Amino acid sequence: DQQVKQNSPSLSVQEGRISILNCDYTNSMFDYFLWYKKYPAEGPTFLISISSIKDKNEDGRFTVFLNKSAKHLSLHIVPSQPGDSAVYFCAATSGTYKYIFGTGTRLKVLA
Amino acid sequence: DTGVSQNPRHKITKRGQNVTFRCDPISEHNRLYWYRQTLGQGPEFLTYFQNEAQLEKSRLLSDRFSAERPKGSFSTLEIQRTEQGDSAMYLCASSFPGLAGLTETQYFGPGTRLLVL
Repeated sequence: DQQVKQNSPSLSVQEGRISILNCDYTNSMFDYFLWYKKYPAEGPTFLISISSIKDKNEDGRFTVFLNKSAKHLSLHIVPSQPGDSAVYFCAATSGTYKYIFGTGTRLKVLA
Repeated sequence: DTGVSQNPRHKITKRGQNVTFRCDPISEHNRLYWYRQTLGQGPEFLTYFQNEAQLEKSRLLSDRFSAERPKGSFSTLEIQRTEQGDSAMYLCASSFPGLAGLTETQYFGPGTRLLVL
């Protein structure tokens, strides 16, 4: 039972362009969503989060959008840089400590 | 700025042996979590501590697994009689309680990669 899904296992984007990573969820009780970035042999690094009372949150080059009716969130990276190449995980929780993670999307930013 | 640290970073063991991993959370964080990540999957929740109290264990945590957090500081995760299926990355995270009604963010350590031969 995959409550959080990242249907694109990989994405390639040209440097300077926008990267859009998508995430879908099935549990309508989820009220807090996060994106993490993971480099090989390292733990996930927190990027940005959004509460269900919002539909957008920005932090520098990173913006997360939440569409509750569609149970969909996306992470936009503008402009994309080669250092952004990593695996990106979305996670969701229903106001508790237990995060449910997606399976990740590998982003490759081409120089 | 000291983040979450985990030791060892890598562990290779033979099936049937016991292994123990350590996690040192961010110093002011009183909540500590263990997750497991296998190839091609996202991290999966294993267990959670608030201070020294273990408040929840996932059904993924079989009887061979035990976690402790004495004195509410560092935590250990022990796997007894390891099996090849235990091979995974074991991640530790910590957090500080957010303001009332707000969910706090978990910060992860670098993980311990376990290979059971």
